[in-house]
Amino acid sequence: DGGITQSPKYLFRKEGQNVTLSCEQNLNHDAMYWYRQDPGQGLRLIYYSQIVNDFQKGDIAEGYSVSREKKESFPLTVTSAQKNPTAFYLCASSKAGGIQETQYFGPGTRLLVL
Amino acid sequence: QKEVEQNSGPLSVPEGAIASLNCTYSDRGSQSFFWYRQYSGKSPELIMFIYSNGDKEDGRFTAQLNKASQYVSLLIRDSQPSDSATYLCAVNLGDGGSQGNLIFGKGTKLSVKP
Repeated sequence: DGGITQSPKYLFRKEGQNVTLSCEQNLNHDAMYWYRQDPGQGLRLIYYSQIVNDFQKGDIAEGYSVSREKKESFPLTVTSAQKNPTAFYLCASSKAGGIQETQYFGPGTRLLVL
Repeated sequence: QKEVEQNSGPLSVPEGAIASLNCTYSDRGSQSFFWYRQYSGKSPELIMFIYSNGDKEDGRFTAQLNKASQYVSLLIRDSQPSDSATYLCAVNLGDGGSQGNLIFGKGTKLSVKP
């Protein structure tokens, strides 16, 4: 089965803790994206990567970090600098980073602060 | 500020009726347009995309694009209770090195009453 997987489904963070969200795809897509969704809000872009070993900040990158060491994987770390991390985090991928490329989404990770 | 605007709803239609969902965007240079459906607690799934002015039909769904008016819509014919979800409009601005990036509206919540 081809697709995008995200883990865990739910994640709890304590104050001052860094946590990492996993995103893996076996679609052979070059481009990968991380979004944050807050209740009643649209998706906001955190980071994106169009090729291995390269990534760019999106609109709300502060307090987050990523890596892209493998084509299949694009983990997101929510650092202690992110003061309001509670949200639904969505990973997406597309074949390439082009104008007409469709983005496909993983099932998401819901992050809650203890 | 590049924006995508949608009426938040809820839009309520009876079963079997046509549901009309609307989206306006601020950037006249926008290149491609996507409609996603998001069930409560789930990730977005692609319904349709459209690149050229006019209508594009896929089963019960029709996307309509008018670039002069900066307006894109989604019509759902013969609406079913299973169509009840939030519909997200997304726009690709076609910006330079970030050509794959999408700007999302906040979504319109559709409720189809049996």
